[in-house]
Amino acid sequence: DGGITQSPKYLFRKEGQNVTLSCEQNLNHDAMYWYRQDPGQGLRLIYYSQIVNDFQKGDIAEGYSVSREKKESFPLTVTSAQKNPTAFYLCATGQGARGFEKLFFGSGTQLSVL
Amino acid sequence: SQELEQSPQSLIVQEGKNLTINCTSSKTLYGLYWYKQKYGEGLIFLMMLQKGGEEKSHEKITAKLDEKKQQSSLHITASQPSHAGIYLCGADFPGNNDMRFGAGTRLTVKP
Repeated sequence: DGGITQSPKYLFRKEGQNVTLSCEQNLNHDAMYWYRQDPGQGLRLIYYSQIVNDFQKGDIAEGYSVSREKKESFPLTVTSAQKNPTAFYLCATGQGARGFEKLFFGSGTQLSVL
Repeated sequence: SQELEQSPQSLIVQEGKNLTINCTSSKTLYGLYWYKQKYGEGLIFLMMLQKGGEEKSHEKITAKLDEKKQQSSLHITASQPSHAGIYLCGADFPGNNDMRFGAGTRLTVKP
């Protein structure tokens, strides 16, 4: 069953805590993306990776970190430096010459602050 | 993204009615993409438009891109409850290395 798996579906963060969101894919796509979605707003790019062991900052990278040690996996860590982390987080893989002409999304992780 | 403006922000229609959602770009784009999102879930790709004046259809959904490649409309004919969700337009802009998204249009279809 090909696709993108995000876990957990719901996550709660305590003050000063780092949390990690998982994103795994078996579509064999090189490009992977992390977006943040806030109510009434479009998706904003946090980080993206077009190849293993390489990643680039998006528009709102501050307070977040990523790694890309394997093609299949692109975990996102929300650090304590991110002061407003409550949002819906979406992971995607991309196809096309530039890696994003067609995006495939996971089912998302809702992060809330306790 | 301020680069892409969607209208209306939300829309409530009676089942069976037609509707149109608009997406306007502040600058010329390479390609315009439409996605649909069910509440609390990921986005699903609907259509891609890359040529000025292009029009594509999928079942009862038709999307058009204007000649200047700065405006697109999504039209649903004879809406059904299964059409409910959030419709987002995305754009590929020259000089960018990622997809930019509009804020979305929330569609409710009343049976």
